[in-house]
Amino acid sequence: AQRVTQPEKLLSVFKGAPVELKCNYSYSGSPELFWYVQYSRQRLQLLLRHISRESIKGFTADLNKGETSFHLKKPFAQEEDSAMYYCALSGSARQLTFGSGTQLTVLP
Amino acid sequence: GAVVSQHPSRVICKSGTSVKIECRSLDFQATTMFWYRQFPKQSLMLMATSNEGSKATYEQGVEKDKFLINHASLTLSTLTVTSAHPEDSSFYICSARGQGRNEQFFGPGTRLTVL
Repeated sequence: AQRVTQPEKLLSVFKGAPVELKCNYSYSGSPELFWYVQYSRQRLQLLLRHISRESIKGFTADLNKGETSFHLKKPFAQEEDSAMYYCALSGSARQLTFGSGTQLTVLP
Repeated sequence: GAVVSQHPSRVICKSGTSVKIECRSLDFQATTMFWYRQFPKQSLMLMATSNEGSKATYEQGVEKDKFLINHASLTLSTLTVTSAHPEDSSFYICSARGQGRNEQFFGPGTRLTVL
Protein backbone atom coordinates (compact mmCIF):
# COMPACT_ATOMS: atom_id res chain seq x y z
CA ALA A 1 0.00 0.00 0.00
CA GLN A 2 1.13 3.52 -0.65
CA ARG A 3 0.63 6.35 1.77
CA VAL A 4 1.55 10.01 1.92
CA THR A 5 1.69 11.93 5.17
CA GLN A 6 1.71 15.68 5.52
CA PRO A 7 1.90 16.32 9.24
CA GLU A 8 0.99 20.01 9.17
CA LYS A 9 -2.55 21.01 8.22
CA LEU A 10 -1.76 24.69 8.65
CA LEU A 11 1.50 26.58 8.34
CA SER A 12 2.01 30.31 8.68
CA VAL A 13 5.21 32.19 7.97
CA PHE A 14 6.09 35.82 7.48
CA LYS A 15 6.98 37.21 4.08
CA GLY A 16 10.67 36.75 3.38
CA ALA A 17 11.05 33.90 5.86
CA PRO A 18 12.07 30.40 4.78
CA VAL A 19 9.33 27.83 4.50
CA GLU A 20 9.39 24.05 4.55
CA LEU A 21 6.34 21.88 3.97
CA LYS A 22 6.89 18.36 5.15
CA CYS A 23 5.96 15.22 3.28
CA ASN A 24 6.72 11.62 4.16
CA TYR A 25 5.72 8.61 2.17
CA SER A 26 5.38 4.88 2.48
CA TYR A 27 5.87 2.70 -0.57
CA SER A 28 7.70 -0.54 -1.10
CA GLY A 29 8.96 0.16 -4.62
CA SER A 30 10.44 3.18 -6.39
CA PRO A 31 7.88 5.96 -6.26
CA GLU A 32 7.52 9.10 -8.24
CA LEU A 33 6.79 12.08 -5.99
CA PHE A 34 4.98 15.28 -6.86
CA TRP A 35 3.96 18.52 -5.24
CA TYR A 36 0.66 20.01 -6.36
CA VAL A 37 -0.62 23.46 -5.44
CA GLN A 38 -4.16 24.77 -5.29
CA TYR A 39 -4.54 28.53 -5.12
CA SER A 40 -7.80 29.97 -3.84
CA ARG A 41 -10.67 29.18 -6.21
CA GLN A 42 -8.35 27.61 -8.77
CA ARG A 43 -7.76 24.08 -9.96
CA LEU A 44 -5.07 21.81 -8.70
CA GLN A 45 -1.86 22.26 -10.65
CA LEU A 46 1.47 20.55 -10.69
CA LEU A 47 4.20 22.51 -8.92
CA LEU A 48 7.11 20.14 -9.33
CA ARG A 49 8.11 16.49 -9.53
CA HIS A 50 11.16 14.85 -8.10
CA ILE A 51 12.48 13.41 -11.35
CA SER A 52 12.75 16.86 -12.87
CA ARG A 53 14.95 18.19 -10.08
CA GLU A 54 13.86 21.68 -11.02
CA SER A 55 12.97 24.82 -9.12
CA ILE A 56 9.56 26.27 -9.79
CA LYS A 57 8.58 29.66 -8.37
CA GLY A 58 11.58 29.36 -6.07
CA PHE A 59 10.42 26.06 -4.62
CA THR A 60 12.59 22.96 -4.53
CA ALA A 61 12.06 19.47 -3.19
CA ASP A 62 14.56 16.68 -2.78
CA LEU A 63 13.63 13.05 -2.54
CA ASN A 64 15.32 11.45 0.46
CA LYS A 65 14.85 7.73 0.11
CA GLY A 66 16.54 7.00 3.43
CA GLU A 67 14.08 9.14 5.33
CA THR A 68 11.26 8.51 2.82
CA SER A 69 10.67 12.22 2.64
CA PHE A 70 10.01 14.77 -0.07
CA HIS A 71 9.87 18.09 1.75
CA LEU A 72 9.07 21.26 -0.17
CA LYS A 73 11.27 24.27 0.53
CA LYS A 74 11.54 27.90 -0.41
CA PRO A 75 14.16 30.22 1.08
CA PHE A 76 12.09 33.40 0.98
CA ALA A 77 8.31 33.06 1.08
CA GLN A 78 6.10 35.52 -0.78
CA GLU A 79 2.49 36.44 -0.07
CA GLU A 80 1.43 34.96 -3.41
CA ASP A 81 2.69 31.58 -2.20
CA SER A 82 -0.31 31.34 0.11
CA ALA A 83 -2.20 28.27 -1.06
CA MET A 84 -2.99 24.66 -0.33
CA TYR A 85 -0.10 22.32 -1.06
CA TYR A 86 -0.50 18.60 -1.66
CA CYS A 87 2.25 16.05 -1.79
CA ALA A 88 1.42 13.07 -4.01
CA LEU A 89 2.96 9.72 -4.84
CA SER A 90 2.66 7.67 -7.99
CA GLY A 91 3.52 4.00 -7.75
CA SER A 92 3.59 1.14 -10.19
CA ALA A 93 -0.13 1.47 -10.90
CA ARG A 94 0.56 5.08 -11.89
CA GLN A 95 -2.27 6.34 -9.72
CA LEU A 96 -1.76 9.33 -7.49
CA THR A 97 -2.11 9.06 -3.76
CA PHE A 98 -2.41 12.47 -2.14
CA GLY A 99 -1.44 13.61 1.29
CA SER A 100 -3.97 15.49 3.37
CA GLY A 101 -2.55 18.84 2.32
CA THR A 102 -0.96 21.80 4.08
CA GLN A 103 -2.55 25.23 3.97
CA LEU A 104 0.29 27.73 3.74
CA THR A 105 -0.35 31.32 4.73
CA VAL A 106 2.35 33.89 4.14
CA LEU A 107 1.80 36.90 6.35
CA PRO A 108 2.81 40.41 5.29
CA GLY B 1 -1.33 23.03 -23.37
CA ALA B 2 -2.85 20.14 -21.43
CA VAL B 3 -6.15 21.70 -20.46
CA VAL B 4 -8.93 19.73 -18.85
CA SER B 5 -12.44 21.10 -18.56
CA GLN B 6 -15.41 19.99 -16.51
CA HIS B 7 -19.07 20.70 -17.00
CA PRO B 8 -21.05 21.80 -15.16
CA SER B 9 -19.01 23.73 -12.63
CA ARG B 10 -21.87 23.70 -10.18
CA VAL B 11 -25.07 21.71 -9.96
CA ILE B 12 -27.90 21.59 -7.46
CA CYS B 13 -30.39 18.74 -7.68
CA LYS B 14 -33.16 17.12 -5.72
CA SER B 15 -32.65 13.92 -3.82
CA GLY B 16 -33.33 10.89 -6.00
CA THR B 17 -32.34 12.45 -9.30
CA SER B 18 -29.29 11.58 -11.38
CA VAL B 19 -26.56 14.01 -12.32
CA LYS B 20 -24.02 13.70 -15.11
CA ILE B 21 -20.65 15.42 -14.97
CA GLU B 22 -18.45 15.70 -18.06
CA CYS B 23 -14.68 15.80 -18.15
CA ARG B 24 -12.90 16.74 -21.36
CA SER B 25 -9.27 16.95 -22.37
CA LEU B 26 -9.20 19.90 -24.74
CA ASP B 27 -5.83 19.69 -26.41
CA PHE B 28 -4.52 16.19 -25.87
CA GLN B 29 -5.72 12.62 -25.98
CA ALA B 30 -6.37 11.24 -22.55
CA THR B 31 -5.88 7.51 -22.48
CA THR B 32 -6.61 7.49 -18.77
CA MET B 33 -8.94 9.66 -16.74
CA PHE B 34 -9.37 9.73 -13.00
CA TRP B 35 -12.28 10.82 -10.84
CA TYR B 36 -11.71 12.21 -7.37
CA ARG B 37 -13.92 13.40 -4.59
CA GLN B 38 -12.90 16.20 -2.26
CA PHE B 39 -14.69 17.06 0.95
CA PRO B 40 -14.31 20.56 2.43
CA LYS B 41 -10.81 21.21 3.70
CA GLN B 42 -9.80 17.62 2.97
CA SER B 43 -7.62 15.90 0.44
CA LEU B 44 -8.60 14.36 -2.85
CA MET B 45 -9.79 10.79 -2.66
CA LEU B 46 -9.51 8.70 -5.79
CA MET B 47 -12.86 7.19 -6.73
CA ALA B 48 -12.06 5.42 -9.96
CA THR B 49 -9.69 5.12 -12.88
CA SER B 50 -10.98 4.80 -16.41
CA ASN B 51 -9.12 3.84 -19.54
CA GLU B 52 -10.61 4.72 -22.88
CA GLY B 53 -12.79 1.96 -24.22
CA SER B 54 -12.76 -0.22 -21.13
CA LYS B 55 -14.61 -0.46 -17.85
CA ALA B 56 -13.59 1.78 -14.99
CA THR B 57 -11.68 0.44 -12.02
CA TYR B 58 -13.24 1.57 -8.78
CA GLU B 59 -11.46 2.10 -5.49
CA GLN B 60 -12.52 0.12 -2.48
CA GLY B 61 -15.67 1.47 -0.93
CA VAL B 62 -16.89 3.28 -4.04
CA GLU B 63 -20.20 1.95 -5.32
CA LYS B 64 -19.91 1.32 -9.04
CA ASP B 65 -23.67 1.21 -9.48
CA LYS B 66 -24.02 4.61 -7.87
CA PHE B 67 -21.13 6.33 -9.63
CA LEU B 68 -21.30 5.32 -13.27
CA ILE B 69 -18.24 6.17 -15.30
CA ASN B 70 -18.02 6.15 -19.05
CA HIS B 71 -14.86 6.86 -21.04
CA ALA B 72 -16.05 6.41 -24.57
CA SER B 73 -13.50 8.58 -26.33
CA LEU B 74 -9.96 9.82 -25.85
CA THR B 75 -11.21 13.26 -24.90
CA LEU B 76 -14.33 12.63 -22.85
CA SER B 77 -15.21 10.85 -19.65
CA THR B 78 -18.48 11.17 -17.78
CA LEU B 79 -19.42 10.52 -14.18
CA THR B 80 -23.08 9.95 -13.45
CA VAL B 81 -24.22 10.09 -9.85
CA THR B 82 -27.36 7.98 -9.85
CA SER B 83 -30.21 8.52 -7.40
CA ALA B 84 -28.26 11.21 -5.65
CA HIS B 85 -28.69 11.79 -1.93
CA PRO B 86 -27.52 14.64 0.30
CA GLU B 87 -24.50 12.63 1.43
CA ASP B 88 -23.30 12.63 -2.19
CA SER B 89 -22.89 16.39 -2.00
CA SER B 90 -19.23 17.07 -2.61
CA PHE B 91 -16.65 18.51 -4.95
CA TYR B 92 -15.89 16.12 -7.80
CA ILE B 93 -12.65 16.56 -9.70
CA CYS B 94 -11.42 14.77 -12.77
CA SER B 95 -7.92 14.50 -14.13
CA ALA B 96 -6.54 13.21 -17.39
CA ARG B 97 -3.28 11.63 -18.43
CA GLY B 98 -1.88 11.15 -21.90
CA GLN B 99 -0.35 7.95 -23.21
CA GLY B 100 3.09 7.25 -21.84
CA ARG B 101 2.91 10.17 -19.42
CA ASN B 102 2.85 10.04 -15.66
CA GLU B 103 1.61 13.57 -15.12
CA GLN B 104 -2.08 14.16 -14.51
CA PHE B 105 -3.82 17.39 -15.50
CA PHE B 106 -6.76 18.40 -13.39
CA GLY B 107 -10.12 19.85 -14.21
CA PRO B 108 -11.55 22.76 -12.22
CA GLY B 109 -14.01 20.55 -10.38
CA THR B 110 -17.78 20.32 -10.10
CA ARG B 111 -19.62 21.30 -6.94
CA LEU B 112 -22.60 18.98 -6.45
CA THR B 113 -25.27 19.90 -3.92
CA VAL B 114 -28.10 17.45 -3.36
CA LEU B 115 -31.10 18.89 -1.56
